[in-house]
Amino acid sequence: EAGVAQSPRYKIIEKRQSVAFWCNPISGHATLYWYQQILGQGPKLLIQFQNNGVVDDSQLPKDRFSAERLKGVDSTLKIQPAKLEDSAVYLCASSPLSPRGYEQYFGPGTRLTVT
Amino acid sequence: GQNIDQPTEMTATEGAIVQINCTYQTSGFNGLFWYQQHAGEAPTFLSYNVLDGLEEKGRFSSFLSRSKGYSYLLLKELQMKDSASYLCAVGNSGGYQKVTFGTGTKLQVIP
Repeated sequence: EAGVAQSPRYKIIEKRQSVAFWCNPISGHATLYWYQQILGQGPKLLIQFQNNGVVDDSQLPKDRFSAERLKGVDSTLKIQPAKLEDSAVYLCASSPLSPRGYEQYFGPGTRLTVT
Repeated sequence: GQNIDQPTEMTATEGAIVQINCTYQTSGFNGLFWYQQHAGEAPTFLSYNVLDGLEEKGRFSSFLSRSKGYSYLLLKELQMKDSASYLCAVGNSGGYQKVTFGTGTKLQVIP
């Protein structure tokens, strides 16, 4: 089966610009996650969707970050305006519902550099 | 909130055994995960423990003690390709599966 797809793989922008990332999860996976991973740290959950509803966005900086999951499949994450501290790898992951809903499958990530 | 502690770095010799420890504090515990992440790549799932005890999967084993808030990942017969970061993560309940990751242990396997 095809894995989680993400694009772009790399992006360089200047601070105060906007950027958008796209994710296509594994077919049939109900749950989709966006993580931010800063170099040398573990992934930090930004937002979690179940189908097309948000179940957790407690760590999403809502003044600048937004995300949506249309029709319960693809998802986009947007940053507007970007700050220097947003430089990180943005990982998308998906998981099926039970019984193996605990296993997350990660995409290759988008490496964002804000200058 | 949740607190997850694991060593930052470890070095081990090819062919040897290495144990990576993880301690955690959390409310609503719903499982302990280990993921492997090679440099520049995405994490990949290794194991999931929800009950106390040892789970063995080939060269990798994972142990959990819920009462002690403690887990370890055991890697046997180390190979050079095992050089990677190993992420300990804790799941918590609440109607959906939310996972919080630790900062990871960077393992270097040397000849």
